[in-house]
Amino acid sequence: NAGVMQNPRHLVRRRGQEARLRCSPMKGHSHVYWYRQLPEEGLKFMVYLQKENIIDESGMPKERFSAEFPKEGPSILRIQQVVRGDSAAYFCASSPKGPLNAKNIQYFGAGTRLSVL
Amino acid sequence: DAKTTQPPSMDCAEGRAANLPCNHSTISGNEYVYWYRQIHSQGPQYIIHGLKNNETNEMASLIITEDRKSSTLILPHATLRDTAVYYCIALNTGGFKTIFGAGTRLFVKA
Repeated sequence: NAGVMQNPRHLVRRRGQEARLRCSPMKGHSHVYWYRQLPEEGLKFMVYLQKENIIDESGMPKERFSAEFPKEGPSILRIQQVVRGDSAAYFCASSPKGPLNAKNIQYFGAGTRLSVL
Repeated sequence: DAKTTQPPSMDCAEGRAANLPCNHSTISGNEYVYWYRQIHSQGPQYIIHGLKNNETNEMASLIITEDRKSSTLILPHATLRDTAVYYCIALNTGGFKTIFGAGTRLFVKA
């Protein structure tokens, strides 16, 4: 049973380019969460999605960042016109049920490390 | 969600028990205590969680004080592979913005 798959593992972009980060949740999981981790810091929540719906995007910058989780296919975190400050590790997590379930455990992928030159 | 405080780093000898403390003095009645760890360059990994009773699984034990203001994660026989940053998180039912603070950096030494 494959875990949460993120790709690419490493992504290099020049300033002004677009970055697309993909996340395939664990089989049977319909809830996806994205986090960002700056060097030497803890993870910061960005957005929570359930199939085709954004439930909470309060942690995501208002401009240049967007996320989707279509009915078919992986969840995508898209960063337009990247800047050097976007360089970070981006982690995706999934859960089988929503946060109201008793276990409320999130399963994390290995992350995508974005470097902006 | 309640804020948690943890020591920045700890050492443990291989084969000994590692006891990682966490203070959550403002925790509310419906907030669970969760522990995750992050091994270098990997995504966080769930370890254990509990509400008020002590919990044990194949990875660790969680001891929560009776007043729920603090807890201890116990790795009974630490190995070198347990070297990681350990995060203690208070999260209520329905909460999903898992707040990862600075955590405790555990070094297991041979």
